Amino acid sequence: DIQMTQSPSTLSASIGDRVTITCRASQSVSNWLAWYQQKSGEAPKLLIFATSTLEGGLSSRFSGSGSGTEFTLTISNLQPDDFATYYCQQYDNNPFTFGRGTKLEMK
Amino acid sequence: QVQLVESGGGLVKPGGSLTLSCAVSGFPFRDHYMSWIRQTPDKGLEWLGYISLSGSLVSYAESVKGRFIISRDNAQNSLSLQMNSLRPEDTGTYYCARSRALFDHWGQGALVTVSS
Repeated sequence: DIQMTQSPSTLSASIGDRVTITCRASQSVSNWLAWYQQKSGEAPKLLIFATSTLEGGLSSRFSGSGSGTEFTLTISNLQPDDFATYYCQQYDNNPFTFGRGTKLEMK
Repeated sequence: QVQLVESGGGLVKPGGSLTLSCAVSGFPFRDHYMSWIRQTPDKGLEWLGYISLSGSLVSYAESVKGRFIISRDNAQNSLSLQMNSLRPEDTGTYYCARSRALFDHWGQGALVTVSS
């Protein structure tokens, strides 16, 4: 199975900040990498797929980059609604695996 | 709009069985692979398996293979997860999700607790 490692596990930031979350895969997943946002008590929500393609209707403050084994999610100009937990997921190989999450909290 | 609604969660004893259902609306169910994913304190988000359009192909994660069965009823727009030989480590929130591998719509989740 491909292991997905996210860092940091917790990130403290302020409104207006720009933050970056990293996801590393134990082997190449090409560009088959997605990012999800989960708020407390809710299901995960797809944000980005194919490494950098933003899901329709979502803010361009979210962006993704990377390839192979190293990927990043960047959120610019943090807004109150962005404080949540973010997960990466590879969908290159079955079983499809998720990172353990990065909790973005308000400083 | 797209809606996925799970039901059937609850408390079950170790070794017991439980079946979850997922009612789907807002998109042509028969045109989409469907998956089950769970979230547990121990392992976080874990893909459990997917089912093909007709139901003829099902793939499972090793952790549930031989214990869980995924099925679908395209006439009723519903997806099911039959869980047998349940263990305490199966405790968590179970989600149905659209698609085989990239999950663009999720249900709200059903809580399953395995405890004596």
